[in-house]
Amino acid sequence: DVKVTQSSRYLVKRTGEKVFLECVQDMDHENMFWYRQDPGLGLRLIYFSYDVKMKEKGDIPEGYSVSREKKERFSLILESASTNQTSMYLCASEGDRAQLDYEQYFGPGTRLTVT
Amino acid sequence: AQTVTQSQPEMSVQEAETVTLSCTYDTSENNYYLFWYKQPPSRQMILVIRQEAYKQQNATENRFSVNFQKAAKSFSLKISDSQLGDTAMYFCAFKSSFGSYQLTFGKGTKLSVIP
Repeated sequence: DVKVTQSSRYLVKRTGEKVFLECVQDMDHENMFWYRQDPGLGLRLIYFSYDVKMKEKGDIPEGYSVSREKKERFSLILESASTNQTSMYLCASEGDRAQLDYEQYFGPGTRLTVT
Repeated sequence: AQTVTQSQPEMSVQEAETVTLSCTYDTSENNYYLFWYKQPPSRQMILVIRQEAYKQQNATENRFSVNFQKAAKSFSLKISDSQLGDTAMYFCAFKSSFGSYQLTFGKGTKLSVIP
């Protein structure tokens, strides 16, 4: 089974702090994604990465950056956390495109509160 | 840009009954993929069922089936013999087949199964 893990389930940070959210997958997937989930808004894509050191902006990249130094690890960085970044953050990796496996496998999520 | 609409924010169903969750989408493409994801309370998001647009036959996975109406751009999920474990948020999602990495989600339907 594919396993996607996230470094924290719950996180509380202060406004202005630099925040790192980490995601690790164990299936050698090339594509990884960061979403934020807010009630009534569904999932919105922040950034994704299709290879090591390669990244692309999603729909809501402002205030965020990402890092992918190793294939299995994809980090989301909040350079200076703000209260409007309080949310649930979900990481996902995508199956093997060569096998037409477009399923995204999700981590358990990190609920971030910025005070 | 593609959009996905789930018009029912909340639904409930009696245990053992059947319920249908609706989803419509907007695209100008002919080939694409559609998914239903399930997110139980405080648990990981998982794939329920997928449908390739080029397949006319509706996908089925045990108690879960879809009604895919390509011309109407409709992709509803039917859950038969509802069980308490079906209580969850359900998200409909669209994926283009033209090289896009992005998965576009609807805002979700909260389903409660009542004993």
